[in-house]
Amino acid sequence: DAGVTQSPTHLIKTRGQQVTLRCSPISGHKSVSWYQQVLGQGPQFIFQYYEKEERGRGNFPDRFSARQFPNYSSELNVNALLLGDSALYLCASSLRGADTQYFGPGTRLTVL
Amino acid sequence: AQRVTQPEKLLSVFKGAPVELKCNYSYSGSPELFWYVQYSRQRLQLLLRHISRESIKGFTADLNKGETSFHLKKPFAQEEDSAMYYCALYNTDKLIFGTGTRLQVFP
Repeated sequence: DAGVTQSPTHLIKTRGQQVTLRCSPISGHKSVSWYQQVLGQGPQFIFQYYEKEERGRGNFPDRFSARQFPNYSSELNVNALLLGDSALYLCASSLRGADTQYFGPGTRLTVL
Repeated sequence: AQRVTQPEKLLSVFKGAPVELKCNYSYSGSPELFWYVQYSRQRLQLLLRHISRESIKGFTADLNKGETSFHLKKPFAQEEDSAMYYCALYNTDKLIFGTGTRLQVFP
């Protein structure tokens, strides 16, 4: 198993644009969580999905949205990008929401 | 509010020296605590989880509820231990991370 995979690896966007990030969990894992990691900080929780339902949401504006598909993969969407959205976006999967989370390599988003 | 504090941004030691990475938390209830490690150019990976009470790569961490601490320790540091270390607390639906401590082990 390749572990959690994320695409793309890097992304450059301009202010006001929209972006979609993708995540494939470890086979058999039904929960996916998204985190934002700004340089010099620890990861900050954005969303958790379990069995295609949103189970938790962090303190992020409504410009951030996500969904989970029947195959348990997930997408994170960010609208109306701001310079402050530049960060590493991490996806983590777990068997169930409360189990140990395993992280993907992240998507580096740069907003110009 | 639930919070994880790692007071040291950088910890530098020589090979063979003991290492202690500090982690304090605020949480009402029984905490579920983790240490994650990120080696250069690698993904964030689980180092240990307090409920398993395992020793991974020679590292241990003991939960001290009285001091609300979960410090990570290793008696003899190795150069390959150089990495970024994050302490994290699981709460309901999310991991709450500290800001991380960079460990540098010099030869």
